[in-house]
Amino acid sequence: EAQVTQNPRYLITVTGKKLTVTCSQNMNHEYMSWYRQDPGLGLRQIYYSMNVEVTDKGDVPEGYKVSRKEKRNFPLILESPSPNQTSLYFCASSLAFSSYEQYFGPGTRLTVT
Amino acid sequence: GQQLNQSPQSMFIQEGEDVSMNCTSSSIFNTWLWYKQDPGEGPVLLIALYKAGELTSNGRLTAQFGITRKDSFLNISASIPSDVGIYFCAGQPSMMDSNYQLIWGAGTKLIIKP
Repeated sequence: EAQVTQNPRYLITVTGKKLTVTCSQNMNHEYMSWYRQDPGLGLRQIYYSMNVEVTDKGDVPEGYKVSRKEKRNFPLILESPSPNQTSLYFCASSLAFSSYEQYFGPGTRLTVT
Repeated sequence: GQQLNQSPQSMFIQEGEDVSMNCTSSSIFNTWLWYKQDPGEGPVLLIALYKAGELTSNGRLTAQFGITRKDSFLNISASIPSDVGIYFCAGQPSMMDSNYQLIWGAGTKLIIKP
């Protein structure tokens, strides 16, 4: 089944404790992206990757890191999480950067205390 | 960054009613997309529009790419309980420096009155 998977689905952590949210897609998509969703603000892009080893900042990149060493995986790293990073996070992928039809993962709900 | 104005923010409707929502921008867009997010899940693409004036249907859903290229509309006919969720519009601006990234609306939450 073609899908985007994220792990974990739920995470409660404390300020400053490094964490990684994994994202994997099995559709051989070139383009991958991370979003955060907050009430009333919709989806805001954190980082995106047009292909392996090519990443760029989205609208809200501060406090996040990403890497794209393989085509299928695009982990999101929070080196020192803070409470304002409490949010619902989505990974998405599409065939290419010019293909705007993105497929989303199920989401990761992160709480930082 | 640039934003889309999506309205209404939320809608309370009776089962069987028709629903309309829209997205507007101050600049021209090349592509409009409509997504639906069910509770506890990620957004799923409903309809993609690529040409000004284009009218596309997906079952009871119909979306239109506005003639001015600055807006898009989504209509749902004869709503049913499974239509509840958040509907997002997204668009790709035609500006040279848009970097090809999608711009997202804040969402329209659809709630069906019991």
